[in-house]
Amino acid sequence: AQSVTQPDIHITVSEGASLELRCNYSYGATPYLFWYVQSPGQGLQLLLKYFSGDTLVQGIKGFEAEFKRSQSSFNLRKPSVHWSDAAEYFCAVGEGNFNKFYFGSGTKLNVKP
Amino acid sequence: DGGITQSPKYLFRKEGQNVTLSCEQNLNHDAMYWYRQDPGQGLRLIYYSQIVNDFQKGDIAEGYSVSREKKESFPLTVTSAQKNPTAFYLCASTEGHTGELFFGEGSRLTVL
Repeated sequence: AQSVTQPDIHITVSEGASLELRCNYSYGATPYLFWYVQSPGQGLQLLLKYFSGDTLVQGIKGFEAEFKRSQSSFNLRKPSVHWSDAAEYFCAVGEGNFNKFYFGSGTKLNVKP
Repeated sequence: DGGITQSPKYLFRKEGQNVTLSCEQNLNHDAMYWYRQDPGQGLRLIYYSQIVNDFQKGDIAEGYSVSREKKESFPLTVTSAQKNPTAFYLCASTEGHTGELFFGEGSRLTVL
């Protein structure tokens, strides 16, 4: 069965520090991978996605993610975190025909001044 | 501006009552989805619809019902059979080719 695991429930980083959020997936076919961000009480916004090709993908707000097939991972990174990045981040995998999407349980990011 | 509108934003209901959450999109998307979000559990799929007059159960459909009579609209009814309905409900749509889900701002349902 398809599944997405985000092992870190909460992460706190200092403003200006680097960030890496972990995501592991279980999916039988070629995965279509996504990272979304959610501000409190709001819907989700797409940060970036991976379908094929270059395994390092760039997204909005200075985020990037790297697909590693051998590790079944799709970790999200940012070189320098800003206070406005405090939010909850969700990793997701989509089926090939985009009928269904499976989400991880989310990682809440706190940013210290 | 194109987008997804969910209403109401907050809803309170008494046990035993059915409630209907509205979801309207003007993105001309074929596929629409309803997710339930609980703290620490991420998003769980309730129902999805790929085309008008057709919809499929997701992973947690029990106690919920939907309809898709128009492309723009995908209302969700939380019935009295749903044992733990207090949650944040998110509606989404996708054009299909890009895979990107567009989300509404959510409806928070509280059962008193």
